[in-house]
Amino acid sequence: KNQVEQSPQSLIILEGKNCTLQCNYTVSPFSNLRWYKQDTGRGPVSLTIMTFSENTKSNGRYTATLDADTKQSSLHITASQLSDSASYICVVSGGGGADGLTFGKGTHLIIQP
Amino acid sequence: NAGVTQTPKFRILKIGQSMTLQCTQDMNHNYMYWYRQDPGMGLKLIYYSVGAGITDKGEVPNGYNVSRSTTEDFPLRLELAAPSQTSVYFCASTQSQTYLYYEQYFGPGTRLTVT
Repeated sequence: KNQVEQSPQSLIILEGKNCTLQCNYTVSPFSNLRWYKQDTGRGPVSLTIMTFSENTKSNGRYTATLDADTKQSSLHITASQLSDSASYICVVSGGGGADGLTFGKGTHLIIQP
Repeated sequence: NAGVTQTPKFRILKIGQSMTLQCTQDMNHNYMYWYRQDPGMGLKLIYYSVGAGITDKGEVPNGYNVSRSTTEDFPLRLELAAPSQTSVYFCASTQSQTYLYYEQYFGPGTRLTVT
């Protein structure tokens, strides 16, 4: 069964600190992996999309890594800001189904001043 | 360019009532999707459409219906609302699923409560 597991479920850090969110998947076949940011009361917005041949991809202070061998990905946030408070969702593409997407449950990140 | 818009933003229904959730996109995208997001769970696909006049079921279609008469609009219909349909509903669109980096654009969501 295709699954995407994210950890931790929630995380609280102080403004200015760095943090790393984890994503493990068992989706097969694998096409690509996406990280989305979902602000409270809003729809998800894409941060990065990586294929199996890409190890790392950055979008400003967000850096995603992918290890296709171990089926793990991480999202690193540098110098966190209050606006980074959101849920971060890992989504894996390629496992079949109508949209070919398997969504993780998300990590809820809170940045405290 | 408004992207994907959804109405209403919030709604409370009584058991057995009906309603239509509206979704419109102005990006001329072929593919449109309806997802539901339950607390602490990943998004689940309800229905999708690959173009005007073509719709198909996703993972959790029971209790819902859709239509796609135009490229822009993809309404979701709840005929007999049940408490299990309490959720946040997201509409999304993309131009094509064949491009490796195809990106989905999501609407702001409709929060529905059935009591």
